[in-house]
This record gives sequence, structure tokens and C-alpha cells, in this order.
Amino acid sequence: LAKTTQPISMDSYEGQEVNITCSHNNIATNDYITWYQQFPSQGPRFIIQGYKTKVTNEVASLFIPADRKSSTLSLPRVSLSDTAVYYCLAGGSSNTGKLIFGQGTTLQVKP
Amino acid sequence: DVKVTQSSRYLVKRTGEKVFLECVQDMDHENMFWYRQDPGLGLRLIYFSYDVKMKEKGDIPEGYSVSREKKERFSLILESASTNQTSMYLCASSSLAGGTYNEQFFGPGTRLTVL
Repeated sequence: LAKTTQPISMDSYEGQEVNITCSHNNIATNDYITWYQQFPSQGPRFIIQGYKTKVTNEVASLFIPADRKSSTLSLPRVSLSDTAVYYCLAGGSSNTGKLIFGQGTTLQVKP
Repeated sequence: DVKVTQSSRYLVKRTGEKVFLECVQDMDHENMFWYRQDPGLGLRLIYFSYDVKMKEKGDIPEGYSVSREKKERFSLILESASTNQTSMYLCASSSLAGGTYNEQFFGPGTRLTVL
């Protein structure tokens, strides 16, 4: 389970693209990179996962360079409802499914 | 639809009381987890279980115990509640199988206040 580092907070405005970068220098060969989103008074929810290059779904894109020591979550055209805490995790498949959550990045979207 | 439920959204207890937090999942998941979340500290793993009657300590197990008698239910027990256990408690579950590695599904959380 690799330790991850991400900014504590970010501000953005509605309609902008937001990129949150996460550092995971000690990522292991079998580790996946996963991002969760947490709204106030709710549990985190999975938004995207990748191993290398680029992954895109209906919510976000995830960019992972060849060395895999960092990754960038990209949220296109954010709205006020994207205000949340975003967690970056790096971990491999295991029977226990254990993950380590850091402090996350608090994204504040302003009108 | 995937569902993890927790027995209470809000709970107020007194110091020294025994507290039970219940979590139930309906997805037939093998893995279940208990976290606590405090401002500035993120989510910290208390205990997890990868099978019925199996448990492993997480990062902060002191003052807590767990019970998993049935696959769908994972209980967190505070044997003698203390004020420093005032926190948000989150339960999660995940499957061994599936295309997304270790995706965890979370309950809504229980906000416990110990007076």
C-alpha cells in the first residue's frame, strides 16, 4: 500500500476544468490508483480507477504517466455540486481489500 | 442497488457506556471495514474482516473490538466509551471478485458523541 500526497485544498469556479494531482512515489507494480469522492455527511464513493495511461468515465478522467509515480484526476466543467473531498489511493488487489485513505483534497467550487 | 446501512445516523452516549455500532451490507461481500473520520485526519481504519469470524486490526484498534458472526453484518464495539471516541464512524464493504480492484462501498456514517 503506497503512501499518497495530494493538496489539502483547492478552489475553482463553476464551468472550469479542475485537475487534482496526487503523488505516489512508492507505488508497487501491482498497485492500482483509485479516487473517491466524499460529500458532507456521507461516506466516500468510488469515482474512478486506473493502472496506466488514461481512463475516462462519465464523471471524470484519470491520467497516469508512464512511471506511475503520480496521477491526475480531471473533472470537466465543475459545478457547485462537485464541492467535496477527493481522496487518492494507491493499492493492489489483495484478499483483504484494505485501503489507506489520506486527508484528501477539499475542492470548493464557487459560483 | 448496492447498499450498506448503519444502525444509527446520530448517537449520544455517556463515558463508560458500552456502545454497539451495527453495519449491514446486502451485496454478499466478503470484506467489511470500520473507519473513523476526524477533521484534519481523514479516514482511519479501525478493524476489518475478510470472512465470517475473521478480523484484523487496522491502524487504530485501541479501545475497540468487532464481531462478525454473519457475512452481511459487522459490528463495532466500544467496550467503555470515552470522550476521545467522539467521531464519525463509517462502515464499508468490498468484494474479492469483480473488475474494479478493492472498490469499497460505504454506509452513511454514524456520528457518535460521548459525553
